Parts: sequence; structure tokens; C-alpha cells
Amino acid sequence: AQSVAQPEDQVNVAEGNPLTVKCTYSVSGNPYLFWYVQYPNRGLQFLLKYITGDNLVKGSYGFEAEFNKSQTSFHLKKPSALVSDSALYFCAVRAGSGSARQLTFGSGTQLTVLP
Amino acid sequence: GAVVSQHPSRVICKSGTSVKIECRSLDFQATTMFWYRQFPKQSLMLMATSNEGSKATYEQGVEKDKFLINHASLTLSTLTVTSAHPEDSSFYICSAIGGAIYEQYFGPGTRLTVT
Repeated sequence: AQSVAQPEDQVNVAEGNPLTVKCTYSVSGNPYLFWYVQYPNRGLQFLLKYITGDNLVKGSYGFEAEFNKSQTSFHLKKPSALVSDSALYFCAVRAGSGSARQLTFGSGTQLTVLP
Repeated sequence: GAVVSQHPSRVICKSGTSVKIECRSLDFQATTMFWYRQFPKQSLMLMATSNEGSKATYEQGVEKDKFLINHASLTLSTLTVTSAHPEDSSFYICSAIGGAIYEQYFGPGTRLTVT
């Protein structure tokens, strides 16, 4: 079975400071990893994904994430946070092979960027 | 990127009535669609997976007779909540896979309130 852990329910950071939202995963075989952002009463917006290749993935709105196979982690980062980045962030994983195509989501991390 | 729409965005219905939610892939053919349920400040819970032209596969604990899913075409899936009760009030999100197997696109969600 595949699973995702987001150990922090809430992350607070001052505007202009770097931010990190943590994610670790468990999956059989090679993982496909994703980050999504959700604003209140909205669906999920895709930020970035890791499928293969370079471990550092760059995505939308200045976000990036680093795939670390040995630590089974895929932490989301941004060098300089904006107040508008405040939202709910979800990490997700699915196996790179096999019949299961659905994503498994973490519990979510509420990011608050303070002005 | 690909667009998935949901209709309606919000619906209020009386207890005992049925309500239908539509999910459409607007610019791609979705071979597989997923329906999720999300409670406030919680993660997405997969309810069912549907493939065009075949019966949906429901996750454990999801009543298939209560949550009827139809995926009649490659661009449309519907979720019908039958005999709705207040505990069915939730945010329902659909998602679709098309093209590259690792791309999953999400609709904007439907807020269901049962009074």
C-alpha cells in the first residue's frame, strides 16, 4: 500500500523568508510524486511533480521540491514566501507502475505567511 | 494545462432528496475519473474510481447504492447522492486522467449542503 505523511499540520513563516513544507512517502517501486495547493472552497491546483530525472523539480509560482530517494522525502520549498502563498498544501504519491492509478494524499499542511 | 469542470459549484438540498454532480473534462478525453470527498481542513478521501463504459470501483466503506457514479462518455462523469442526509454535506472533488498516465487534473469542487 502507498502512503504519504505530512508531519506538520501548520507552518507559519514571515513574508520574504524561505519556506519548507515537509513530505515523506511510502510506495512500492518508483514513485510519482506531486504537490498541490488548495485555496478555501476551491479544488486542487497542481504545483509540480517528480516522475524521473533531476531530483530538484521546479514548479509554478516559484515553488520547487527535492526528491530524496534515501530519505523517501519530497519536501516543498520556496526561497521567499509571499502572503498570497497562504493556503493548504497537499503532497501526493502513486506508484510508477502497476494497475493502481489513483493518487494517495497526505493530510495536508496549512501554510500561513505573515506580513 | 487540461481543464476539468464541475457543476454545480454549490448546491443546497433537503434531506431525503437526490442531487447530481457533473464532472467534465473540457479539452481532453478522460479514460479514468476519480471522485473524492473532503471534510473541512482535512485531506481528500477517495470515494471511487470510474472508467468510461464500465462500473465504478468503490473504496471500502463507500456505499455504492448511495453514491451512484456514471461515466458514460470520455468527457463526463456524474456522481448522484441519493436520499441525501445532513451527514452527506461535504466538499466533493472530481479528478480525471487523460493523456500521460501520470497527469491527474482536478475539478474546482462542489460544496453540498443537506438541510
